[in-house]
Amino acid sequence: QQQVRQSPQSLTVWEGETAILNCSYENSAFDYFPWYQQFPGEGPALLIAIRSVSDKKEDGRFTIFFNKREKKLSLHITDSQPGDSATYFCAANQGGSAKLIFGEGTKLTVSS
Amino acid sequence: NAGVIQTPRHKVTGKGQEATLWCEPISGHSAVFWYRQTIVQGLEFLTYFRNQAPIDDSGMPKERFSAQMPNQSHSTLKIQSTQPQDSAVYLCASSIGLGEDTQYFGPGTRLLVL
Repeated sequence: QQQVRQSPQSLTVWEGETAILNCSYENSAFDYFPWYQQFPGEGPALLIAIRSVSDKKEDGRFTIFFNKREKKLSLHITDSQPGDSATYFCAANQGGSAKLIFGEGTKLTVSS
Repeated sequence: NAGVIQTPRHKVTGKGQEATLWCEPISGHSAVFWYRQTIVQGLEFLTYFRNQAPIDDSGMPKERFSAQMPNQSHSTLKIQSTQPQDSAVYLCASSIGLGEDTQYFGPGTRLLVL
């Protein structure tokens, strides 16, 4: 049972465009949602995170939009750069439990 | 700060052999996590320690897998009688505390069981 789902599986955008990565979850007890960025041969690295009490979190070119009622969130990457090409994982965590539940990942390719 | 250190980076074992993977967390971090990454299953939680004590091993396969943290500077993941399906990248992460504290991942150990 996949508790956190991501779409699309892969995404290609042109340099300068906005990439939109989607995530949904099943467990309404999840209250913290970090997004991790992973480059080939490296471990995932935290990119940006949001708590369920917020509906938006922004950090430079990266913005998370969160819809608690629909159990959906999305990561928007504006002015995409070739260096943003990586796999992005949406994760979820329930207060009181430290373990992260990861989605399947979205592989983003930014073409120049 | 060297980050989370994992050794070896690559390991090849024959079916039935034992594999021990090592992790050195970031100094001062009290929590250490182990995850497994495969193409088919994605990123899966295995187990974690807080102040060297095992807290949650709900993701660990019931047989052949064990994890220990004998001191605050390293943790080990041991796989006995390795099987081809154990082939994966094993990732170690550490965090200052729990909950929303950022988990910092190491580069992983790529295990190949022939």
